[in-house]
Amino acid sequence: RKEVEQDPGPFNVPEGATVAFNCTYSNSASQSFFWYRQDCRKEPKLLMSVYSSGNEDGRFTAQLNRASQYISLLIRDSKLSDSATYLCVVNPPGSSASKIIFGSGTRLSIRP
Amino acid sequence: GAVVSQHPSWVICKSGTSVKIECRSLDFQATTMFWYRQFPKQSLMLMATSNEGSKATYEQGVEKDKFLINHASLTLSTLTVTSAHPEDSSFYICSAVGLAGPFREGNEQFFGPGTRLTVL
Repeated sequence: RKEVEQDPGPFNVPEGATVAFNCTYSNSASQSFFWYRQDCRKEPKLLMSVYSSGNEDGRFTAQLNRASQYISLLIRDSKLSDSATYLCVVNPPGSSASKIIFGSGTRLSIRP
Repeated sequence: GAVVSQHPSWVICKSGTSVKIECRSLDFQATTMFWYRQFPKQSLMLMATSNEGSKATYEQGVEKDKFLINHASLTLSTLTVTSAHPEDSSFYICSAVGLAGPFREGNEQFFGPGTRLTVL
């Protein structure tokens, strides 16, 4: 089983819609969780960390469910510029605080 | 702040040649650099962790003699793909973690723009 699993998509939604992605991780002892965004042929960039209590950054809301070992990302009022691949990222236990493992990513396409 | 550069941004080479990719942290000192590889429509796969002044730690399945990593200073790490073959064609991305700086999160990794390697 992969350490981090995501639905590859693609998700194709109209501008203004709300869209949500889920991600599951295999190791229950994982400590830190993140969402990264990657545009086509570019490097990934940190979108936001995911905290146990859930957290929000503008139109983006991230949640963590440790019991079910999944992480979610909700995007409200989606913009054309939100089109990208969203990568679920986990810091595996037993590794340095810096080491991270990427999911395969979920492709999102926002249409006008 | 927190800029990471890579050079070259793309390279095309013949099978059997060696290719060196540089990763530099431009405005901070990087205690640790990571090297990833990404095949088309796949995710980033961690290849190795590079700490300044010590040997790199390679992930399972990554050949250390084929992918030579040198981290000679706090701002530079290099990855050399030796005797490259067409199956090594990929997008190679480095990232760096700093001693201190304007990081939003502790131990946040900053990624270079990547190097696209094509082996003919």
